[in-house]
Amino acid sequence: DVVMTQTPPSLSVAIGQSVSISCKSSQSLVYSDGKTYLHWLLQSSGRSPKRLIYQVSNLDSGVPDRFSGTGSQKDFTLKISRVEAKDLGVYYCAQTTHFPNTFGAGTKLELK
Amino acid sequence: EVQLVESGGGLVQPGRSLKLSCAASGFTFSDYNMAWVRQAPTKGLEWVASISTGGGNTYYRDSVKGRFTISRDNAKSTLYLQMDSLRSEDTATYYCARKTTTDYWGQGVMVTVSS
Repeated sequence: DVVMTQTPPSLSVAIGQSVSISCKSSQSLVYSDGKTYLHWLLQSSGRSPKRLIYQVSNLDSGVPDRFSGTGSQKDFTLKISRVEAKDLGVYYCAQTTHFPNTFGAGTKLELK
Repeated sequence: EVQLVESGGGLVQPGRSLKLSCAASGFTFSDYNMAWVRQAPTKGLEWVASISTGGGNTYYRDSVKGRFTISRDNAKSTLYLQMDSLRSEDTATYYCARKTTTDYWGQGVMVTVSS
């Protein structure tokens, strides 16, 4: 299985600050169609996960442009600019390029 | 509005069975492959199974293969997960999700396997 390694495991942030989360995969996530199926999700406390970004850098509908995703091959980054209180929770990266789909262990974003 | 509503969870003894349902609305169910993803208490996310649009192709993680069966009824816009020979390590919140890329998730249903 493809191992997804997220760092850091947790982040303390002040409202208005910017943060970055890293996700590294054990194999390239480029599929045979040339696309890279790396996604980012947020699970707020007590809620189900919500996808924020798909295929590395595409924002899902309704996701503010304070969120951005970059990367390629095996190395990816989620950046959140001007963090707001509603951004707090656990962020997961996920790959759906290789069977079986796998997720990172999560990065908990907390208030400083 | 896309909605996915799971049901059928509960407390079950090891070795017994349980069937989860996921009622979909707000989109053409038959156009999308679907998936089940679980989350053990205080743990991360783990993909369990996926099914193609017509139900002809199904995929499972190794630890549930032969024990779980994913299926769908497109006429009822409903996804199912039949779970047999349940083990304590199957204890988790089970989410249904739209598409392999999980663009929408249900609210989840708790399954507890314990004697």
